[in-house]
Amino acid sequence: QLLESGGALVQPGGSLRLSCAAPGFSFSNYAMNWVRQAPGKALEWVSLISSSGGDSYYADSVQGRFTISRDNSKNILYLQMNSLRAEDTATYYCARGGPVILHQFDHWGQGTLVIVSS
Amino acid sequence: DIQMTQSPSSLSASVGDRVTISCQASQDISKYLSWYQQTPGKAPKLLIYDASNLETGVPSRFSASGSGTHFTFTISSLQPEDIATYFCQQYDDVPLTFGGGTKVQIK
Repeated sequence: QLLESGGALVQPGGSLRLSCAAPGFSFSNYAMNWVRQAPGKALEWVSLISSSGGDSYYADSVQGRFTISRDNSKNILYLQMNSLRAEDTATYYCARGGPVILHQFDHWGQGTLVIVSS
Repeated sequence: DIQMTQSPSSLSASVGDRVTISCQASQDISKYLSWYQQTPGKAPKLLIYDASNLETGVPSRFSASGSGTHFTFTISSLQPEDIATYFCQQYDDVPLTFGGGTKVQIK
């Protein structure tokens, strides 16, 4: 089970931190991902972090503005979002990968809505 | 970046019909393709991984095949509960990329 939180209405240029709680499995054994979906649009992969947290990857659209991190002692995944733009408006999902970074997503959270608007 | 082109973008079929969706990768991704089902207002659900492996608990009317650059997803007998949008995704390389989705409706 994955439980996202932190979505909100934020002004352009603002910041937000999303969280994804991951009880019920060995969180530290899995790479984790953030995926977003703008209203009525396709899924867009945002970011990926390795199981240890030592490696992270980003979509070009968020590189330099978003930071993915994890706390394996608390079983929580984070996404720090800075310099938010209107085009970042979307439902953000956390998704479980696998023991390697390139893996299908076998569990998804319910999503948290981020709206960037003045 | 690897581009995933999915077709058709939407389709309408009758209950019991065979439905096929295609996904084409812009370069060879071997078998590293998954298929997801998303019903309105819900999170995506994994159906198929490694191009043709059925996820545990997924009904056997769902199947998929392909390798390299051409992949196919099939519903052998469309059921009312299959109304959803289906997405393919490659995980051969970062950035991970999704297809544009296929919306399946009942005729």
